[in-house]
Amino acid sequence: QKEVEQNSGPLSVPEGAIASLNCTYSDRGSQSFFWYRQYSGKSPELIMFIYSNGDKEDGRFTAQLNKASQYVSLLIRDSQPSDSATYLCAVTRIYNFNKFYFGSGTKLNVKP
Amino acid sequence: KAGVTQTPRYLIKTRGQQVTLSCSPISGHRSVSWYQQTPGQGLQFLFEYFSETQRNKGNFPGRFSGRQFSNSRSEMNVSTLELGDSALYLCASSFGDSYNEQFFGPGTRLTVL
Repeated sequence: QKEVEQNSGPLSVPEGAIASLNCTYSDRGSQSFFWYRQYSGKSPELIMFIYSNGDKEDGRFTAQLNKASQYVSLLIRDSQPSDSATYLCAVTRIYNFNKFYFGSGTKLNVKP
Repeated sequence: KAGVTQTPRYLIKTRGQQVTLSCSPISGHRSVSWYQQTPGQGLQFLFEYFSETQRNKGNFPGRFSGRQFSNSRSEMNVSTLELGDSALYLCASSFGDSYNEQFFGPGTRLTVL
């Protein structure tokens, strides 16, 4: 079982819609959760992070964390073609918060 | 402030050679992590350095090594290169404590012929 699992996609949504990206993790000791966006040929860039159960909003992005069910999701409201990229989920554990476990990423296509 | 920088950006080597990649973290960051990214395997953790000490290690062979200097700059070395080592090598820096948000450099694209 992989540490962090993501659906590879592609996930296609029309412009202006809400894109929902999901990630599950295997270790209940996971503490910190991160979402990165990676454009083709570029390095990952940090979108947002979440530590506590519930929702965290930052502009058009909302991260949702449910530790009981061991999943974290990223919602992108009013999706734009410029949001088309691969989204990587990463987690760290409570006893080693500097070792990151990355999922394989979900490719998002936003169609004009 | 300046982001994470990596040099060189592109590198072409032949099998059997060795290579050294360099990473300069964001000012104030003391942790540097290295990753290998390939289309088939995704982003794989190599190792993490903090205050000149290797603190975490991934599952890579001993041909992959690294070090960190007192100014937090880090180098990664790959010896006896194999074709399968062709990849994008990324470094990421963070404060290294509970504020562990990690920021990536642009990467070094290594091609082994």
